[in-house]
Amino acid sequence: GNSVTQMEGPVTLSEEAFLTINCTYTATGYPSLFWYVQYPGEGLQLLLKATKADDKGSNKGFEATYRKETTSFHLEKGSVQVSDSAVYFCALNAGGTSYGKLTFGQGTILTVHP
Amino acid sequence: KAGVTQTPRYLIKTRGQQVTLSCSPISGHRSVSWYQQTPGQGLQFLFEYFSETQRNKGNFPGRFSGRQFSNSRSEMNVSTLELGDSALYLCASSFHRDSYGYTFGSGTRLTVV
Repeated sequence: GNSVTQMEGPVTLSEEAFLTINCTYTATGYPSLFWYVQYPGEGLQLLLKATKADDKGSNKGFEATYRKETTSFHLEKGSVQVSDSAVYFCALNAGGTSYGKLTFGQGTILTVHP
Repeated sequence: KAGVTQTPRYLIKTRGQQVTLSCSPISGHRSVSWYQQTPGQGLQFLFEYFSETQRNKGNFPGRFSGRQFSNSRSEMNVSTLELGDSALYLCASSFHRDSYGYTFGSGTRLTVV
């Protein structure tokens, strides 16, 4: 079946540090890949997405590249801020008849200190 | 543009009762999906509706059901509540193609006592 594996957290960084959160996936076919962020007490917000191999999604300084050869979609940001503290989820939609179904990783808690 | 609206935000129910949660998607979005989020199991897909038809279903017991109305609003029902049903229930809406991404509501926090 389809699955998503994220690096285990929590991740604690100082402000302006470089961020990488690893994400690898297992899926048949050509899935679409997503990163979502969840702030305390809120739902999920779409951070970025990529729908085919070598696509790069980017938003608010965050980037991730769809690497089919390594089945990865690692999230990066060059300089994190305290306001980036949240839980980050990697997810995929397998396409085909996987209507509306996102398969999520377990989430990575990010804490950024001033 | 209004986002995905879920009501109520918080709910406390007693074991054995039933509950109905509501989700209003973004205007123009015809696909509505439901997810259960718990600390132990993470985010799990419940079901998806499109044009009043359930197109996809996750691995949940029959106590979990849903429906979608002609205006794309959706409801989720859980009957015979169990303590383990305590969770954050999230609704997401999308334009008709999944690859466009999904917009989530803030969720309904259900506590079963």
